[in-house]
Amino acid sequence: GEDVEQSLFLSVREGDSSVINCTYTDSSSTYLYWYKQEPGAGLQLLTYIFSNMDMKQDQRLTVLLNKKDKHLSLRIADTQTGDSAIYFCAERGDSGAGSYQLTFGKGTKLSVIP
Amino acid sequence: SAVISQKPSRDICQRGTSLTIQCQVDSQVTMMFWYRQQPGQSLTLIATANQGSEATYESGFVIDKFPISRPNLTFSTLTVSNMSPEDSSIYLCSVQGAGTEAFFGQGTRLTVV
Repeated sequence: GEDVEQSLFLSVREGDSSVINCTYTDSSSTYLYWYKQEPGAGLQLLTYIFSNMDMKQDQRLTVLLNKKDKHLSLRIADTQTGDSAIYFCAERGDSGAGSYQLTFGKGTKLSVIP
Repeated sequence: SAVISQKPSRDICQRGTSLTIQCQVDSQVTMMFWYRQQPGQSLTLIATANQGSEATYESGFVIDKFPISRPNLTFSTLTVSNMSPEDSSIYLCSVQGAGTEAFFGQGTRLTVV
């Protein structure tokens, strides 16, 4: 089945850039998503990218997609302590049956050091 | 964006009992899903809640354990039946409308003692 892999931990200093990486196996992925989960909270959709794009920028967030290598990254510029959370990468395949469930990675815990 | 309200936000339940979780969306949505997030783990899809018909369950999940209702396009319930400590998880409702964005509720944190 489809698989999504992420590194489990990332530690950065406040003000630096964070780069969270993700790889996936489903070649039929149509959309790829990044979610943020703070302690005790649900998932907040940060951004998503369509599979025919290679970059998307939204304020401090930049998503890069290398479809050939099935590699996705999320860059957070000027990382703040409030960015400390778990970040999940997810992909939406296209089964052709109209089903759009997401497959998630295990999440990357970002720790921001003041 | 869709606003999703999940109730309850958390509960502590005795083993052998059942808990019904409600998911209310502020707009009509085509697709609704239920996920489970076990402690320290990622999200696993339980089932797709189909309006007007039986839910579609993923491998490892069965209707007797996780009955789901979806009476209309804005509401769904998930019941966790005959609970055991292994059912202690966060349960999340997710919706996807006609667009590409997939939104999640705040989750229900369930502890079974």
